[in-house]
Amino acid sequence: DVKVTQSSRYLVKRTGEKVFLECVQDMDHENMFWYRQDPGLGLRLIYFSYDVKMKEKGDIPEGYSVSREKKERFSLILESASTNQTSMYLCASREAGGRSNYEQYFGPGTRLTVT
Amino acid sequence: SQQGEEDPQALSIQEGENATMNCSYKTSINNLQWYRQNSGRGLVHLILIRSNEREKHSGRLRVTLDTSKKSSSLLITASRAADTASYFCATVGGYNKLIFGAGTRLAVHP
Repeated sequence: DVKVTQSSRYLVKRTGEKVFLECVQDMDHENMFWYRQDPGLGLRLIYFSYDVKMKEKGDIPEGYSVSREKKERFSLILESASTNQTSMYLCASREAGGRSNYEQYFGPGTRLTVT
Repeated sequence: SQQGEEDPQALSIQEGENATMNCSYKTSINNLQWYRQNSGRGLVHLILIRSNEREKHSGRLRVTLDTSKKSSSLLITASRAADTASYFCATVGGYNKLIFGAGTRLAVHP
């Protein structure tokens, strides 16, 4: 079974702190994604990566950056955390190939609170 | 932007009843996927239906797709308390990104 793990289930940070959220997948997937989930808004894509050192902005990249130095690891960075970044963050991975008929595999999520 | 929109937003039923959730989307698709999310957890893929399919089954799940109406439905038969979760439909946008709706919260009472 595919396993996607996230470094923390719960995280509390202060406004202005730099925050790192780590995601690791063990299925050699090329594609990885970071979403945030807020009530009533569903999942919104922050950034995604097609391969090592490659990254693309999603729908809401402002205030975030990412790093993909190794294929299995995709990091989300909040450069200067703000209270409006309090949310559930979900990482996902999927096979590549240019076809859309592939499901995404999700990690358990990190609930981040910025005070 | 949200592509899929689920209806209803919340659904409360008794064990043994069937649960039907609907999803509408805006643009043409290659496939539509349904995911489940237990409270405070990640999403789990349930089923994928391709644009040339009209109906698909998986265990107690039945998914239909009507591309002319740009809509899909997920039916859970003989529901159990363990089916209590949020259910999301997702379509594929540019760069093979998944676009999710806001979800339907299903509560199944014993």
